[in-house]
Amino acid sequence: DTAVSQTPKYLVTQMGNDKSIKCEQNLGHDTMYWYKQDSKKFLKIMFSYNNKELIINETVPNRFSPKSPDKAHLNLHINSLELGDSAVYFCASSQTDLYNEQFFGPGTRLTVL
Amino acid sequence: GQNIDQPTEMTATEGAIVQINCTYQTSGFNGLFWYQQHAGEAPTFLSYNVLDGLEEKGRFSSFLSRSKGYSYLLLKELQMKDSASYLCAGLYGGSQGNLIFGKGTKLSVKP
Repeated sequence: DTAVSQTPKYLVTQMGNDKSIKCEQNLGHDTMYWYKQDSKKFLKIMFSYNNKELIINETVPNRFSPKSPDKAHLNLHINSLELGDSAVYFCASSQTDLYNEQFFGPGTRLTVL
Repeated sequence: GQNIDQPTEMTATEGAIVQINCTYQTSGFNGLFWYQQHAGEAPTFLSYNVLDGLEEKGRFSSFLSRSKGYSYLLLKELQMKDSASYLCAGLYGGSQGNLIFGKGTKLSVKP
């Protein structure tokens, strides 16, 4: 059983388009996260979210928005895609908060042309 | 900021011991994580240190000195499968704070 899953694995799209990446965790965790890993392999947290609070990294453009239909899902919506958005996006979850180990999904490689 | 610094690359021999260092800014610091990431895969958790000292987990150990803003990951009896990037990450500002990752140390294990 996959603990944290993401779809799609690969996403190729044109500049200006709007796209979504889905994430699901079956671990019963309270908090989920989105990360961006750029071409230099630098991993940066974008959002953390539990049923009480959304914490946004202030450097993330407002074109990016997380949507959580329920505790097990945290989807990432990206509007007006730009070339610089090309990266691998990882979803992750932890039992309660940042003090706990995180379980990462397999990643979604986004390429913006 | 909370700069997390670690060497970019290291090379070691199968069966040997390697130490990967990480330094961080101490202001607002709450704890330090190490993750392993194989090429093309997701990061996986290795260790979490809050208190000073060495924590051992099989072939891997992690050390923390809060006063010095310093941590290291020690890998013993290196195996080829240990070739991966090792990410040091500092937790700042508490449970609702921020997790800052270093750029990772790419370890290559040679026969």
